[in-house]
Amino acid sequence: ETGVTQSPTHLIKTRGQQVTLRCSSQSGHNTVSWYQQALGQGPQFIFQYYREEENGRGNFPPRFSGLQFPNYSSELNVNALELDDSALYLCASSWDRAGTQYFGPGTRLTVL
Amino acid sequence: GESVGLHLPTLSVQEGDNSIINCAYSNSASDYFIWYKQESGKGPQFIIDIRSNMDKRQGQRVTVLLNKTVKHLSLQIAATQPGDSAVYFCAENIGNQGGKLIFGQGTELSVKP
Repeated sequence: ETGVTQSPTHLIKTRGQQVTLRCSSQSGHNTVSWYQQALGQGPQFIFQYYREEENGRGNFPPRFSGLQFPNYSSELNVNALELDDSALYLCASSWDRAGTQYFGPGTRLTVL
Repeated sequence: GESVGLHLPTLSVQEGDNSIINCAYSNSASDYFIWYKQESGKGPQFIIDIRSNMDKRQGQRVTVLLNKTVKHLSLQIAATQPGDSAVYFCAENIGNQGGKLIFGQGTELSVKP
């Protein structure tokens, strides 16, 4: 186990709703990266947070936003949910921006 | 564009045999490569990594080889066990893009007892 935890495990929402996913990083890690993994695909980078600041963003619209807290835990917020947002959302923590990323178990989001 | 690709989507091996999973990358600026194992319903699990200044790195039962000339990466698993059955992803980090990892589609490894 990596020590990275995510909540909730599963979530069902309807189109247009908003969702908040949470991640607790491994002890000693100050960086959290978020990924979206569609079924049968590799994870796609959403963004990374380092010491409470966004440090890089992938090709995702602004309705995907995030936060990192002083204890280095993080939230991913998605507004105006679309059917295509249905996926496994993974967070990974690392000791620095370019350090080895260790993944949590993910949150399975289903948008109906 | 940038991509990390895998040569084979599925690989089936007999228990005890060695497995080789291949990966191609396209960005010559990539300086760090990682192999992850993902079991059904779980997050990716770190296996081994290698930096671009190395050609080979060994771990417990695993070896990663990096050929920068042809932009190719491979993961070798010795004495494959049923517990090795999973999807394996290679991921690429481009040095000037911070911590962004670019993943391939994955190779499903199936180990027959």
